[in-house]
Amino acid sequence: LAKTTQPISMDSYEGQEVNITCSHNNIATNDYITWYQQFPSQGPRFIIQGYKTKVTNEVASLFIPADRKSSTLSLPRVSLSDTAVYYCLVMFSGGYNKLIFGAGTRLAVHP
Amino acid sequence: EAQVTQNPRYLITVTGKKLTVTCSQNMNHEYMSWYRQDPGLGLRQIYYSMNVEVTDKGDVPEGYKVSRKEKRNFPLILESPSPNQTSLYFCASSTSESSYNEQFFGPGTRLTVL
Repeated sequence: LAKTTQPISMDSYEGQEVNITCSHNNIATNDYITWYQQFPSQGPRFIIQGYKTKVTNEVASLFIPADRKSSTLSLPRVSLSDTAVYYCLVMFSGGYNKLIFGAGTRLAVHP
Repeated sequence: EAQVTQNPRYLITVTGKKLTVTCSQNMNHEYMSWYRQDPGLGLRQIYYSMNVEVTDKGDVPEGYKVSRKEKRNFPLILESPSPNQTSLYFCASSTSESSYNEQFFGPGTRLTVL
């Protein structure tokens, strides 16, 4: 059964680095791993995407090991506005084009 | 402005009364998808479409229908809604030029079935 697994919740403080890991055992060999951020009453918003090793943009970094069975979203120096739910998204192998979201990690950033 | 629109944004209905939630995107995207979001379960894909007249089941298709007659529109149809379909629904689109994973989401439709 295609599935992704993330921690349900995390707590952090302003200025700290936050790392959220997602496991995805049956990822398609040629597909990307994508992370989204969602605020209440809004649709998810794209944060970062990668295929392997490390990807960095202006808001986050994404670390993907060689076996690609997991990925880690890294948010440097979080602020209160980073309080949100974070989802990983992969496309699973098997000849389909189904997209599988994790259940989401609720990040709470405290002053 | 590039966007995905959904209508209605809020809907309260009764069991068995057919309804349609519309979704439209103006980015010429090939891939369109419907998700439902329930507490503790995250986003689950209902149906997706790779292009016009090409649709396929996601993880939770039971009780839903879709059609893709035009590239920009992807309506979600509930022929006989039931209370367990009370949920928050999102439509999304993406293009094969990058990765289908880079989805653009609509604002959501909150459906209550009594």
